[in-house]
Amino acid sequence: AQTVTQSQPEMSVQEAETVTLSCTYDTSESNYYLFWYKQPPSRQMILVIRQEAYKQQNATENRFSVNFQKAAKSFSLKISDSQLGDTAMYFCALRNTGNQFYFGTGTSLTVIP
Amino acid sequence: DTAVSQTPKYLVTQMGNDKSIKCEQNLGHDTMYWYKQDSKKFLKIMFSYNNKELIINETVPNRFSPKSPDKAHLNLHINSLELGDSAVYFCASSQVGGSYNSPLHFGNGTRLTVT
Repeated sequence: AQTVTQSQPEMSVQEAETVTLSCTYDTSESNYYLFWYKQPPSRQMILVIRQEAYKQQNATENRFSVNFQKAAKSFSLKISDSQLGDTAMYFCALRNTGNQFYFGTGTSLTVIP
Repeated sequence: DTAVSQTPKYLVTQMGNDKSIKCEQNLGHDTMYWYKQDSKKFLKIMFSYNNKELIINETVPNRFSPKSPDKAHLNLHINSLELGDSAVYFCASSQVGGSYNSPLHFGNGTRLTVT
């Protein structure tokens, strides 16, 4: 069975600062994909970043980057130069070889002006 | 040119009624899903269809019945609505065959309120 754990229900960060959201997962598979989704108050689910488990290089998308530690089964999201528009719920997700997606319980991030 | 569109956006109805939520995707994906997001924001998979065939059917009351007329559409019909059905329902799609790393593409959600 696969599980995804986000241990920080709520976080806050000052505008322009950097924040890291934690995610750990458990899977017995060697090949899988990891994702971070953002859900702003508008409730849209927006893909932020993705990481292939077979790639050692950490994915980066503009101000968003991940720290993927495969042995530790950790997949944290770093947001640099935080902006007010980053205020949202953030979900970590795992896609397994059976093409099923597993989501964490989310971290509510507030960017403080 | 919305990728995954679901209607209606809001649905308010009384207990005992039957309602449907429609979903369409124009991404050419072969797999579609229904997720339920409760008041604590937890996302729970309900159903998954691959090329019109049911492949995931989690423990969901049989009052919920998905229907996929073709691989671009996955509708959700709910009978005898209960208060506990109040939630946001998301339709999503992904490509399973071929591009393995395809993420989920979500619709904008339907907020269902049962009174």
